[in-house]
Amino acid sequence: GENVEQHPSTLSVQEGDSAVIKCTYSDSASNYFPWYKQELGKRPQLIIDIRSNVGEKKDQRIAVTLNKTAKHFSLHITETQPEDSAVYFCAALPTGGGNKLTFGTGTQLKVEL
Amino acid sequence: DTGVSQDPRHKITKRGQNVTFRCDPISEHNRLYWYRQTLGQGPEFLTYFQNEAQLEKSRLLSDRFSAERPKGSFSTLEIQRTEQGDSAMYLCASSLGVTGGEGTDTQYFGPGTRLTVL
Repeated sequence: GENVEQHPSTLSVQEGDSAVIKCTYSDSASNYFPWYKQELGKRPQLIIDIRSNVGEKKDQRIAVTLNKTAKHFSLHITETQPEDSAVYFCAALPTGGGNKLTFGTGTQLKVEL
Repeated sequence: DTGVSQDPRHKITKRGQNVTFRCDPISEHNRLYWYRQTLGQGPEFLTYFQNEAQLEKSRLLSDRFSAERPKGSFSTLEIQRTEQGDSAMYLCASSLGVTGGEGTDTQYFGPGTRLTVL
């Protein structure tokens, strides 16, 4: 089955700096890669996703890049703000995987003033 | 609130007791998923419904676990003879579904039910 690895597990940045979180996946058949943000005690919320037919997608301060050859994808947050502090999860969904998302282990992002 | 809802939000039970959780998906969403999340980990897939049909179950779902989705609307997840290892957050998600087969439609999560087994 699919295996998703996520790094780093914790990330501390100064407000206004950029943050990058990286994930690798094992199943070359994976074709959908969402990113979720989870604040303490709250539900995971989708912040951006990318499908395998594109290499990059951007939404305001958030961007995701996908390298299918290397089987890795990354989340980029620019001009970080304190409210960006949360746990971020990447996930992958393989074709024929029954819509079963496989998640990474999460990155605790802390944006310091 | 028109998002996915779950009830109860918290459940404390003694080992050996049975518990049941409910999930109400976003209206008109055909697909419903159950995940389990333990501290410091990402959600792990448990099972998935397309309308009322349960299409896939993870090996994590032992015979003590059963899920139903009668009439293709809300779903229940029951855990029988709970064990301390069952303590976790149980998350439900739903998606619109893609006609004609599997798709890559967005999954929206509920707030979860936090289970503590003493």
